[in-house]
Amino acid sequence: AQRVTQPEKLLSVFKGAPVELKCNYSYSGSPELFWYVQYSRQRLQLLLRHISRESIKGFTADLNKGETSFHLKKPFAQEEDSAMYYCALIGNTGGFKTIFGAGTRLFVKA
Amino acid sequence: EPEVTQTPSHQVTQMGQEVILRCVPISNHLYFYWYRQILGQKVEFLVSFYNNEISEKSEIFDDQFSVERPDGSNFTLKIRSTKLEDSAMYFCASSVEATNSPLHFGNGTRLTVT
Repeated sequence: AQRVTQPEKLLSVFKGAPVELKCNYSYSGSPELFWYVQYSRQRLQLLLRHISRESIKGFTADLNKGETSFHLKKPFAQEEDSAMYYCALIGNTGGFKTIFGAGTRLFVKA
Repeated sequence: EPEVTQTPSHQVTQMGQEVILRCVPISNHLYFYWYRQILGQKVEFLVSFYNNEISEKSEIFDDQFSVERPDGSNFTLKIRSTKLEDSAMYFCASSVEATNSPLHFGNGTRLTVT
């Protein structure tokens, strides 16, 4: 079964500290993985995807197929990074639905 | 930049009433979706729609739910007889392709069933 697990509901760090938001997935094939972000009073939007292998707003995420993980990292957190972060997976069966993890709320303290 | 738009932003209805949530996807997108998020819970897939038919639906999407693309721009979600547990934020999304393509979300409609 397809599943995305984000073990932390809330992550609180100080400005300038490193951040790692954990994501593990369960999928039998080769999924596509994404991180979405929702800032306060804004819509859910794409942050980055594993296929692009890019850094967005200082965030990176590496797909580790051996550990079935796709953790989101940033070396130095900023206050404006405070938001809800969702890890998501698209399978390649049927209707190609995207399934989401439960989300992690990141709070960056001054 | 084009956006997915949803109306209304908030809908209050009585249990047993029918509601229609409306969405206008991005114009060159071909795949359309509805998700819902009950307060404090995860974003849950309801249904995907392509080429004027449902391509996949979840177990949540029972006979009380239906989707329609009545014209070239709108994509609607109908709940025939609302229940208290249908209270949630409903998100419409669209994408260019089925794979390799992220979802573009609307701002959501908050449905409150009393």
